[in-house]
Amino acid sequence: EPEVTQTPSHQVTQMGQEVILRCVPISNHLYFYWYRQILGQKVEFLVSFYNNEISEKSEIFDDQFSVERPDGSNFTLKIRSTKLEDSAMYFCASSPPLGQPQHFGDGTRLSIL
Amino acid sequence: GENVEQHPSTLSVQEGDSAVIKCTYSDSASNYFPWYKQELGKRPQLIIDIRSNVGEKKDQRIAVTLNKTAKHFSLHITETQPEDSAVYFCAAPRMNSGYSTLTFGKGTMLLVSP
Repeated sequence: EPEVTQTPSHQVTQMGQEVILRCVPISNHLYFYWYRQILGQKVEFLVSFYNNEISEKSEIFDDQFSVERPDGSNFTLKIRSTKLEDSAMYFCASSPPLGQPQHFGDGTRLSIL
Repeated sequence: GENVEQHPSTLSVQEGDSAVIKCTYSDSASNYFPWYKQELGKRPQLIIDIRSNVGEKKDQRIAVTLNKTAKHFSLHITETQPEDSAVYFCAAPRMNSGYSTLTFGKGTMLLVSP
């Protein structure tokens, strides 16, 4: 069964540094998402991406965040200047042309020191 | 935006018992309701979903019911097994997003004791 894949599985970064989280969505999917989950809390929506542009973003997704689909397979989340509170698990998800269901990757655990 | 409330936050049952988790949502236009299971340190995994044109959907030991009038939907697990122990999240589409972007409930930690 096709899966969403994410790299790296764990990223440790100094506060103020830039990080790029990578995702390869399922190949025939058209909608892509990033979610965040702080330890022990619920999954929170960050951004959705469709037709090579952001379709929606949450209040969490401020100017420090950006997303990109640099080629036909990768979907990236960049955090420009990381803060301690950015420490969380970041999940990428994708969904087929009708928009549902969403399938999640295994996540990247981001630890900011 | 959409507001999703989920109860209870924790649920402990004996193996073989049934478990019921309930969610309410605020946007009457929402038309798609998935449930995800998340084991410790792993991805949320879709276990069942329902669209608003039906009131119930069943898949082996798992069922979901939807009451559009009351704006609530529930997950029912029968004959629970220890491997059902996990955190379960309900979700509903965010308001004004079509139906593509989800708002999640806070999760229910289900513990099934042998």
